[in-house]
Amino acid sequence: GENVEQHPSTLSVQEGDSAVIKCTYSDSASNYFPWYKQELGKRPQLIIDIRSNVGEKKDQRIAVTLNKTAKHFSLHITETQPEDSAVYFCAANTGGFKTIFGAGTRLFVKA
Amino acid sequence: EAQVTQNPRYLITVTGKKLTVTCSQNMNHEYMSWYRQDPGLGLRQIYYSMNVEVTDKGDVPEGYKVSRKEKRNFPLILESPSPNQTSLYFCASSIGGINQPQHFGDGTRLSIL
Repeated sequence: GENVEQHPSTLSVQEGDSAVIKCTYSDSASNYFPWYKQELGKRPQLIIDIRSNVGEKKDQRIAVTLNKTAKHFSLHITETQPEDSAVYFCAANTGGFKTIFGAGTRLFVKA
Repeated sequence: EAQVTQNPRYLITVTGKKLTVTCSQNMNHEYMSWYRQDPGLGLRQIYYSMNVEVTDKGDVPEGYKVSRKEKRNFPLILESPSPNQTSLYFCASSIGGINQPQHFGDGTRLSIL
């Protein structure tokens, strides 16, 4: 069946460094790729998304890249801050109207 | 305020006792969905609804039922809960379907003893 693989499961960076999280999807019909941030005890919230007709999208310190040929997309956070510490989930829609999430990446930003 | 509201937020119950988790959104969204979140497994989709009276299975539908009689409400029903359904549950909605951002409720933590 369809799946989304996310790596790494845990990422620790020094404040000010960059963080990169990578996801791979299996359904070639997928055309929407959101990223959600979940702080401890809170609900997931969208931070950025990208559609299949775009290769890259930026929003201040956050960027997402998409390689449709290789079926992978990545989240890039630059100049990380302690408040970036959270669990990040990638997701992809499917041709069958479902949404598949990756297993999540726990990001620690050390001050 | 635009929001997705789930109730209850916490519930401890026993095996076999039917329960319903309610979900309501005030954004006139067409698409609604239920997920369960378990450590190391991310969010897994249980059921989704594209519109009123239109529902379909996600990846882990066994043991769950849903209904969509009104656009704003999408309750999750556990007819005979079992301990393996102990989890954190999220309801979500989006305006246009699966290629739009989803707005999540605050979650419901279910413990089934």
